[in-house]
Amino acid sequence: GDSVTQMEGPVTLSEEAFLTINCTYTATGYPSLFWYVQYPGEGLQLLLKATKADDKGSNKGFEATYRKETTSFHLEKGSVQVSDSAVYFCARYSGGYQKVTFGIGTKLQVIP
Amino acid sequence: DTAVSQTPKYLVTQMGNDKSIKCEQNLGHDTMYWYKQDSKKFLKIMFSYNNKELIINETVPNRFSPKSPDKAHLNLHINSLELGDSAVYFCASSPNGGSGANVLTFGAGSRLTVL
Repeated sequence: GDSVTQMEGPVTLSEEAFLTINCTYTATGYPSLFWYVQYPGEGLQLLLKATKADDKGSNKGFEATYRKETTSFHLEKGSVQVSDSAVYFCARYSGGYQKVTFGIGTKLQVIP
Repeated sequence: DTAVSQTPKYLVTQMGNDKSIKCEQNLGHDTMYWYKQDSKKFLKIMFSYNNKELIINETVPNRFSPKSPDKAHLNLHINSLELGDSAVYFCASSPNGGSGANVLTFGAGSRLTVL
């Protein structure tokens, strides 16, 4: 079935380090792809999205490119901050009637 | 005003009890959802309603019963609570069309602890 696979955390980085969180999806149909972020004690919120191949989503210094050839949507940021510490979820819209499938979530901890 | 609000935020109860969690959205969205997040942060969809009609009903014990009195509200009632029901339950909503289609807006979560 439709699924999303993302790297397990936790990921611990020093401030200003480069971040990559890997995400791959099953290649069925033409899904829309998303990254959501969950800060401690809060609900998830949309970080960025891409709706078709080669689209790049970006927000708050984060970027992800929809790569159909590798079925990937890796999240990157050039210089992380302590305030980026959160859990990041990759997700896909699977078609049908409004079903969004989430990855397992990757916890990021940024230390000063 | 909070876009998706759910109550209560915390709920501690004994095994065997019945409890409800309420959710309201003021975004005018057509679709509402309940998700369950376990202690490892894994997020699983439980139910989805579109304009008060049930459209997604995942493999969930029938002790869980959603109810949508109108498209702005989606409540979750749980009968005979078990230890394994302890989790954070998130309500979410999304529009059917437009640029925001398929983008979920989440509530802050309701942490249920069953003792």
